[in-house]
Amino acid sequence: QQQVKQSPQSLIVQKGGISIINCAYENTAFDYFPWYQQFPGKGPALLIAIRPDVSEKKEGRFTISFNKSAKQFSLHIMDSQPGDSATYFCAASWGYNNNDMRFGAGTRLTVKP
Amino acid sequence: DVKVTQSSRYLVKRTGEKVFLECVQDMDHENMFWYRQDPGLGLRLIYFSYDVKMKEKGDIPEGYSVSREKKERFSLILESASTNQTSMYLCASSLGRWTEAFFGQGTRLTVV
Repeated sequence: QQQVKQSPQSLIVQKGGISIINCAYENTAFDYFPWYQQFPGKGPALLIAIRPDVSEKKEGRFTISFNKSAKQFSLHIMDSQPGDSATYFCAASWGYNNNDMRFGAGTRLTVKP
Repeated sequence: DVKVTQSSRYLVKRTGEKVFLECVQDMDHENMFWYRQDPGLGLRLIYFSYDVKMKEKGDIPEGYSVSREKKERFSLILESASTNQTSMYLCASSLGRWTEAFFGQGTRLTVV
C-alpha cells in the first residue's frame, strides 16, 4: 500500500494548456514534498519542492500548491510545452535527515503540439 | 555536479543466483536509497541508509538485503533472484534534511 497516492495515471494536454497532477498522503510526519520529473532512459530529477510551512511555491511555469489540513498537494504546469512530456512523481519524506522518502505511482504527461 | 553511478545499465541473471547491484555517489551524502520502478506502481522503496552500516527497511524489503560499508557505496543484494524481481532498480542519494535526492541512471534487471 503506497503511502503517497497520485492521480491521474496519465494526462494529455494541448500545448499552452495547464497540467495538474494531484497527490495525497496519510502520514502527518512527512515534512518535505518534492516533485520529480523523469524522461525515458533517465533517472528522476528534482523539479520543485515544498515544505509544509508554506501553501504555495512557484518556480517559472511550475507551481506546487499544498493543503496541510487536507493532506494534499498538487503540481500545476502552466503554458505546458511538448518538452514537458515526461513522467512526474510526487514524493514525501520524513525522519532523521529526511531519510525515509516515499513516492507516488507517477503520472505520464503528454503535451500535444 | 553530483554523480550517482550504478554499476550496470542492464543485467540478465538466472533464477536462484545471488545478484549484487552497486551504487556509488561522489558528494559525501548521508542518505542513500534503493528503489524499484515498475509500470503503474511508481518507485517503491526497498531499503534506505542514513549512515555507514545503518539501514532501514522500506516498503518491499523481502528478498533483498543491503550493505553500506563505506559512506559513498550502497549495495543491493538479491539473495536468490526470482522472476518477480525483474524490474528497473534505481539508486539515489541526498545530503540531508530538505535536500534534493540525486538518482542514478538505473539498472534494468531481468531474471530468467
